[in-house]
Amino acid sequence: SSELTQDPAVSVALGQTVRITCQGDSLRSYYASWYQQKPGQAPVLVIYGKNNRPSGIPDRFSGSSSGNTASLTITGAQAEDEADYYCNSRDSSGNHYVVFGGGTKLTVL
Amino acid sequence: QVQLQESGPGLVKPSETLSLTCTVSGGSISSYYWSWIRQPPGKGLEWIGYIYYSGSTNYNPSLKSRVTISVDTSKNQFSLKLSSVTAADTAVYYCASLRGENSSGWEYWYFDLWGRGTLVTVSS
Repeated sequence: SSELTQDPAVSVALGQTVRITCQGDSLRSYYASWYQQKPGQAPVLVIYGKNNRPSGIPDRFSGSSSGNTASLTITGAQAEDEADYYCNSRDSSGNHYVVFGGGTKLTVL
Repeated sequence: QVQLQESGPGLVKPSETLSLTCTVSGGSISSYYWSWIRQPPGKGLEWIGYIYYSGSTNYNPSLKSRVTISVDTSKNQFSLKLSSVTAADTAVYYCASLRGENSSGWEYWYFDLWGRGTLVTVSS
């Protein structure tokens, strides 16, 4: 399968920990990468590879993977973390395609 | 630092060809892969395709029959053409740089830099 599945919406209380998941067959072979998108803005890479953060991304963002599921964890969520989050990976069909998850809307309460 | 900027018409008529250009500044296009991604209003991200600076390409199979991505290394630009557009092609179009790496046998692809995006509306 070339699809990545994400929960449409997740909420978290301010300062608490939240996990956003991404499921798909390709994740058994390839790491996911994660993007944060705020309204009216372009996506921003927050996690790539096993658990790498680009410069400038707070260390409260972390990534992990198990089986066909990749997870983005925000430890101590802040109000500014409220955004849409997308995962992507390489497709497992052998055709070198790129696939995106449908996105998760994170609300910080 | 490297920056990407999309340019092109914001309005295209149905059945015509959408044409966009992405200019890479602050670095050379002669490395990595370069990609187009789109996002219909209120919806998620859709990968359109990518090109290597040498000119090799790969396209989303759902759009492959209508898409052409090309590169002009002399201008540090790459371009998107999408033919026979309909209202369903209305979206914000982003250009981005695509990297592929390997860690302990696990490969991963990621878009590390994005343009700001440009809204293209298909309407008569």
